[in-house]
Amino acid sequence: DTGVSQDPRHKITKRGQNVTFRCDPISEHNRLYWYRQTLGQGPEFLTYFQNEAQLEKSRLLSDRFSAERPKGSFSTLEIQRTEQGDSAMYLCASSLDRGQGNEKLFFGSGTQLSVL
Amino acid sequence: AQRVTQPEKLLSVFKGAPVELKCNYSYSGSPELFWYVQYSRQRLQLLLRHISRESIKGFTADLNKGETSFHLKKPFAQEEDSAMYYCALNLAQGGSEKLVFGKGTKLTVNP
Repeated sequence: DTGVSQDPRHKITKRGQNVTFRCDPISEHNRLYWYRQTLGQGPEFLTYFQNEAQLEKSRLLSDRFSAERPKGSFSTLEIQRTEQGDSAMYLCASSLDRGQGNEKLFFGSGTQLSVL
Repeated sequence: AQRVTQPEKLLSVFKGAPVELKCNYSYSGSPELFWYVQYSRQRLQLLLRHISRESIKGFTADLNKGETSFHLKKPFAQEEDSAMYYCALNLAQGGSEKLVFGKGTKLTVNP
């Protein structure tokens, strides 16, 4: 499968623990996005990277959240001191920006986080 | 406030019937709108975008700036169209995809 890959698929953790998710985008894609989706809602934008640079962060991304894309390839999203409200599906997407707009987002299958 | 509204949480039609999934948006700038679809046990994927003015799988959507709507239509629904459909608005400038999604409409096409 050459699509966007996310690991793990499911994560169950206790409140207060730290968790880290990984996203491997499609190999030539220079843009990488993180979205979050809760039950009954559409995905919500969290942050995005152009290569290794994090260009925008949503106000939804509190200080407990940090995302990195160290070499402009894979990305990690870490949540520190998890809270029950963090329970959600975390979606990663990637795209190829050719400077012409009209880029197409490819989504991964997501990581389902449950905080007990 | 920038938002996307999909008023129908659930929509059920019979095979061969026309279907329209409603989407309204609120945005002060020039809107860039999309429809995304998620079939059962599959990933979220782009169905169509308004600037392409294309028809995908028989679906079309026309941007109506006067009514601030971007409804998705298909004249003859098929069982394989059953899925979750999300309307999305791009808030970003400079070509990135900072999308605001609606809550989605679950379409069921009955045989």
